[in-house]
Amino acid sequence: NAGVTQTPKFQVLKTGQSMTLQCAQDMNHNSMYWYRQDPGMGLRLIYYSASEGTTDKGEVPNGYNVSRLNKREFSLRLESAAPSQTSVYFCASSNDRIYGYTFGSGTRLTVV
Amino acid sequence: KNEVEQSPQNLTAQEGEFITINCSYSVGISALHWLQQHPGGGIVSLFMLSSGKKKHGRLIATINIQEKHSSLHITASHPRDSAVYICAVAFRTGGGADGLTFGKGTHLIIQP
Repeated sequence: NAGVTQTPKFQVLKTGQSMTLQCAQDMNHNSMYWYRQDPGMGLRLIYYSASEGTTDKGEVPNGYNVSRLNKREFSLRLESAAPSQTSVYFCASSNDRIYGYTFGSGTRLTVV
Repeated sequence: KNEVEQSPQNLTAQEGEFITINCSYSVGISALHWLQQHPGGGIVSLFMLSSGKKKHGRLIATINIQEKHSSLHITASHPRDSAVYICAVAFRTGGGADGLTFGKGTHLIIQP
């Protein structure tokens, strides 16, 4: 069982380019999340989706958009990449407080 | 916003030593997670706690809700335990999902 799958694993973008990070989970979890991890800081929540068809902003949503395509998939889009968006991005999913979280393997994004 | 503090930030120990990593937070919570991240790697959930103590192999996690404090212990430490250990506290979002606020992590190195 794959758990949470993120693609791509690595990406280099030029400033102003756009891209979409893909995330899919096969655990039938209701909630999905996008976090970013920067050196010296804890992970921070960008956007989340509590259930299919809903999305909400987290702590650091500026410069990002998301789509909850169906229960399995939750994508993160950078419309016009900036160097400040250089980071490692993690997708995660959860069902309820009993079962906790499952994380994807991360996407290392560099914007030059 | 909950403030999550971990100590120590860095820890180097010899194989076989008993390891303790501490986590404190500022606002009452419903659940706390301990996570493990290997260099360049993904994030793995070790424990989710809402009260008391949990044990899995050589790992033990405890939480004191009244003191707003949790500890992660590793008994008979081994070089393969070398990783970053992250404490994260859950918060219920307005949308009904369980977001996490993360500590900055403890970088553990176990020397043979």
